[in-house]
This record gives sequence, structure tokens and C-alpha cells, in this order.
Amino acid sequence: GDSVTQTEGLVTVTEGLPVKLNCTYQTTYLTIAFFWYVQYLNEAPQVLLRSSTDNKRTEHQGFHATLHKSSSSFHLQKSSAQLSDSALYYCALSGPPSNTGYQNFYFGKGTSLTVIP
Amino acid sequence: NAGVIQTPRHKVTGKGQEATLWCEPISGHSAVFWYRQTIVQGLEFLTYFRNQAPIDDSGMPKERFSAQMPNQSHSTLKIQSTQPQDSAVYLCASSLVCSQNTLYFGAGTRLSVL
Repeated sequence: GDSVTQTEGLVTVTEGLPVKLNCTYQTTYLTIAFFWYVQYLNEAPQVLLRSSTDNKRTEHQGFHATLHKSSSSFHLQKSSAQLSDSALYYCALSGPPSNTGYQNFYFGKGTSLTVIP
Repeated sequence: NAGVIQTPRHKVTGKGQEATLWCEPISGHSAVFWYRQTIVQGLEFLTYFRNQAPIDDSGMPKERFSAQMPNQSHSTLKIQSTQPQDSAVYLCASSLVCSQNTLYFGAGTRLSVL
């Protein structure tokens, strides 16, 4: 079946250092879109990055990710973590819509990132 | 655009009581999803509406959970006879129905069952 795996539940990094959150997937879909969502405390999850193009780097708010279909990965990275980056991050996969327009979304279990001074 | 609006933000119920959660999707979005969020399970899919019609409720615990979308501007999730294990954050999300479009989430309702 289709699934998304985020291997780390908790990540702690020192401010100013690089951070990488891992995301791998299994899917039978040929056409897929990938998302990184970020959820700050007591707020709604919001989309951080979206990509459907293999081997193309996508960037937003200092974060970047590249979809690699060859390794089934869409890792999230930032070169210099900030205190304000502390949040819960979800990786998600979306397959193509069905005839009824139904989209399957598959979410990882989330990675809680804490940036310390 | 106010985004997806969920009310109430917090709800406390006693065991065995009923809880109704409300969601107002983004205007023009015809797809509405409900998810349950817990630390252990992350985001669990509950149910999906398209153009107000229920399409998939495979994630809903059958006996006590129900969802409706009586009009395009709101959806409700009702939990009867709430149990402590129902305590979670319930998230509503909406999107346009087109190829692999982005989900927009509300801030959620935190349900605490005592």
C-alpha cells in the first residue's frame, strides 16, 4: 500500500546549525505530489513546500526539499535553523484524483523539531 | 479569506456525553476532510466530502462517529457517547477538487473527555 515514513519523531538542533528531516515513501501511483506541512503550537498545519517534479529543488522560507523518485525520498532541509522553526512537521503524499475527484492523502506521523539557543 | 474555521477551539465533555464539532471550509472549496490528530498516531483520516456528498468515511469509528455536510459552508463531526480515548485534536481541511491540490487546514478543535 501507499505510505509515508518520517523516521524521527523528535529532532533537536542548535540555532544556526543545519537541520534535515527525513521523509521516504512507498506508492503505486505514477503521478504524485509531495508536501511538507508545518504546524506551530496551537495553530493550523500549513503547507510549507509542494513538489511533483522529480529532481527539482523546491524552496520556501529558507527550507528546501527535492523529490527523488529514484530513492523515494523528499527530505526537508535548512542550512541554518532558527528558534522560530520549532514546530511539528508533516510530510505528505497525494495521489492523482479518482474519477469522482477524490484525492488520497497519506501523511507521515510527524517530526517535532525543537531549535535550542 | 479567513481560512478554514473550526469551532469550538476547545471542548470538554464528560464520559458518555455527546460532542459536536463544526467546520466552515474556505469559500469555493468543494472538498472537505476531517482528521484526528494525536501524538501517537499523528494525522488519522476520518472522512471526506465532495460537493457536500460523503465520499469516503473509511476512517470513521462506525458506532459513535458521524459526519454531515448539510450545505457548502459547513460540516459537522458528531461523537456520541464520548470516551476518554476520543480525546484528540480534530482537524478539518478543505481544498479545491483538482489534480493533487493543497489541503488547507483549520486550527482544530481540542476535545478532552474526562
